Amino acid sequence: LAKTTQPISMDSYEGQEVNITCSHNNIATNDYITWYQQFPSQGPRFIIQGYKTKVTNEVASLFIPADRKSSTLSLPRVSLSDTAVYYCLVGDTGSNRDDKIIFGKGTRLHILP
Amino acid sequence: DGGITQSPKYLFRKEGQNVTLSCEQNLNHDAMYWYRQDPGQGLRLIYYSQIVNDFQKGDIAEGYSVSREKKESFPLTVTSAQKNPTAFYLCASSIGTGGEDGYTFGSGTRLTVV
Repeated sequence: LAKTTQPISMDSYEGQEVNITCSHNNIATNDYITWYQQFPSQGPRFIIQGYKTKVTNEVASLFIPADRKSSTLSLPRVSLSDTAVYYCLVGDTGSNRDDKIIFGKGTRLHILP
Repeated sequence: DGGITQSPKYLFRKEGQNVTLSCEQNLNHDAMYWYRQDPGQGLRLIYYSQIVNDFQKGDIAEGYSVSREKKESFPLTVTSAQKNPTAFYLCASSIGTGGEDGYTFGSGTRLTVV
């Protein structure tokens, strides 16, 4: 079961690029890395998912080194509305759901004006 | 629009009562999940279901029960045996049973014991 470790909180300023790193030393071969964003009193929202190297979509980039023991979520030019909790998840892609995907406490990102 | 609908948004329960939280999805997802979130904490898995008429306990199933009679629906009952039920409850679904295509979450139900 791959456990993840993220910083508890981060502060940044509007317009800056924010990088949140997640450690997952015990990641398994079949595991994907997925990031979610959660605003207060709402359900988490899928941001990005990757297996290795780099993935980019319209909201973020995900950098995964060759050993896959960590990953970095990159948010370009953040705004106040990016203030939220960000979760890094590592989970099995197979049909065996016994290896449950765990949400940790996430990283509380606070964007300042 | 496809998505997950949780109801009600707010729910108040008297001690000793059972309450049922509704979760409906029209995404044709096979797997559905219930999570509990306490203030400042992450999500903890209560129950999950990979297929109709089958479900599995998560990490904190005691005091909760579920059913999966239809693919679209996965109601959660918080029983009187759950000693500290006040929390934010989130329902989710995924295409695959491993969540490899990502989870879609509902907007949550906030349960308060009065």
